[in-house]
Amino acid sequence: GNSVTQMEGPVTLSEEAFLTINCTYTATGYPSLFWYVQYPGEGLQLLLKATKADDKGSNKGFEATYRKETTSFHLEKGSVQVSDSAVYFCALTGDSGGSNYKLTFGKGTLLTVNP
Amino acid sequence: NAGVTQTPKFQVLKTGQSMTLQCAQDMNHEYMSWYRQDPGMGLRLIHYSVGAGITDQGEVPNGYNVSRSTTEDFPLRLLSAAPSQTSVYFCASSYTLQLAKNIQYFGAGTRLSVL
Repeated sequence: GNSVTQMEGPVTLSEEAFLTINCTYTATGYPSLFWYVQYPGEGLQLLLKATKADDKGSNKGFEATYRKETTSFHLEKGSVQVSDSAVYFCALTGDSGGSNYKLTFGKGTLLTVNP
Repeated sequence: NAGVTQTPKFQVLKTGQSMTLQCAQDMNHEYMSWYRQDPGMGLRLIHYSVGAGITDQGEVPNGYNVSRSTTEDFPLRLLSAAPSQTSVYFCASSYTLQLAKNIQYFGAGTRLSVL
């Protein structure tokens, strides 16, 4: 079945530091890939997505590129802010009727950004 | 526009008690789902619905019942709560079940403790 493995946390950075959160996946066919963010006390929000190989998703300064050859979708940001402190989830959905109706999530990575 | 609304936000139950977690959306979405979030395990799909009167099981359906009598509401029922059901529960909705093409919106969650 499908699975997502993401970098174990927690990750603690200083403001303006560079962020990378690694995410790799296992899936058949051509899944779509997502990053969700969960701020303290809130539900998950879609941060960015990519639906085919070599696509780059971007939003709020975050980027991730769908790499089929390495089955990866690493999240990056060039300069983090305190307001980026949250839990980040990598997720995928399949491309067929048996798996395109649900998201398979990674375990989540807690990011704390200090001023 | 309220989006996805979950009630209650917090609940404490004793083993064997029953309760219903409420979920409502005002976006006229056909697809609704319930996830549970446990530490170190990401989110796992419990049940989902592709429209009024249609429900199906996800990855971890045991101990939970659902029904979908209207497009707007998708309640999750625990008939006899067990400590293993202590978790944070998220309801989500999207326009259709094609999650690669439609943003999935999450509620703020219900934190449930079963003693």
